[in-house]
Amino acid sequence: GQQVMQIPQYQHVQEGEDFTTYCNSSTTLSNIQWYKQRPGGHPVFLIQLVKSGEVKKQKRLTFQFGEAKKNSSLHITATQTTDVGTYFCPYYGGSQGNLIFGKGTKLSVKP
Amino acid sequence: DSGVTQTPKHLITATGQRVTLRCSPRSGDLSVYWYQQSLDQGLQFLIQYYNGEERAKGNILERFSAQQFPDLHSELNLSSLELGDSALYFCASSIHHGGDETQYFGPGTRLLVL
Repeated sequence: GQQVMQIPQYQHVQEGEDFTTYCNSSTTLSNIQWYKQRPGGHPVFLIQLVKSGEVKKQKRLTFQFGEAKKNSSLHITATQTTDVGTYFCPYYGGSQGNLIFGKGTKLSVKP
Repeated sequence: DSGVTQTPKHLITATGQRVTLRCSPRSGDLSVYWYQQSLDQGLQFLIQYYNGEERAKGNILERFSAQQFPDLHSELNLSSLELGDSALYFCASSIHHGGDETQYFGPGTRLLVL
């Protein structure tokens, strides 16, 4: 069946350093979404990627969808303490529309 | 504030008991999803309702059940509780039920089973 692996599971960076998390699928994805969950909070939608090779930016965050629509990445430039949290790349895994989240990438930022 | 509300925020109960978690979706959203998040675990999809009917089922135990009412609020019932059921339970909602739907999450209910 379809599987999406997200790496790394944990990342510790110094404030100001860049950060990237990757999601890799064994099969072609129709779309991929990105969510962020702050410590003690709930997941919050960041963005959705649909087109092959799509790149979207939100301030210091850059999201990419691979040409083959099998991988995606989130890159944060010059991390800040406000970036701390877990980033998920859920994918559409069922015929009825349920997103499959996985464990995400937990980012910690040392000031 | 996502517009999704969940009650209660915290719940402490004993093994063997039954609890009900409540969720009110965003105004206009027809789909409600339930997720379980255990310590250091990802979000596990439990079940989805769309306009009152069950739409999709994930890793939901037989001891758990849910329903969506005509006013579109949803309840998740957990019975014969075990220690391992201690977790954060999130409800999310979306307008429809497609794979490109953005899901808006509530603040969650933290359940502790002693």
